[in-house]
Amino acid sequence: EIVLTQSPGTLSLSPGERATLSCRASQSVSSSYLAWYQQKPGQAPRLLIYGASSRATGIPDRFSGSGSGTDFTLTISRLEPEDFAVYYCQQYGSSPRWTFGQGTKVEIK
Amino acid sequence: EVQLVESGGGLVKPGGSLRLSCAASGFTFSSYSMNWVRQAPGKGLEWVSSISSSSSYIYYADSVKGRFTISRDNAKNSLYLQMNSLRAEDTAVYYCARQAQYGFTFDYWGQGTLVTVSS
Repeated sequence: EIVLTQSPGTLSLSPGERATLSCRASQSVSSSYLAWYQQKPGQAPRLLIYGASSRATGIPDRFSGSGSGTDFTLTISRLEPEDFAVYYCQQYGSSPRWTFGQGTKVEIK
Repeated sequence: EVQLVESGGGLVKPGGSLRLSCAASGFTFSSYSMNWVRQAPGKGLEWVSSISSSSSYIYYADSVKGRFTISRDNAKNSLYLQMNSLRAEDTAVYYCARQAQYGFTFDYWGQGTLVTVSS
């Protein structure tokens, strides 16, 4: 089973600042199988990035994804008030089919 | 507009059963694989089960294998999760999620239904 470890657990930043979130896999992951989601309190997750670097429909270009192998990054270039949320990375594998990281909370400093 | 609406959650005693439903609209349901993902209170996301468009391929997380059964009715645009032998650790919000055709991700999610397993 591939384990995804996200860091940091919590990121305290101000609006307008740059956020860099990390997702590290215990084994190499195909970039095609790596995604990022945003979840706000009381809401369902929302797909942000798929294939490690492709933005989902309607996602602003301040969100970008990068990485390969075991190290992947989600970057939010300039935080907007609505970006403060929890972010999860996800990978597709063999067993279990999908696993998620434990999440990174981006909070207002 | 794509919509996924879950129902069927509630309070059930340990060892009991519950059937969740997910009503889909706004897309050709029969063309998409579907999934259940759960989230325990205050915790992260856990994939539960997946079913292909024609029900030919079904997968389960080890934590639910042998207790949960996923199914679908393409004529009714509906996804189901039959949950038996429920345990306290199954307490969670259960989301149905559409698998994107362009990748191995979930592009649309329902609002979730809460299942509480407690005596």
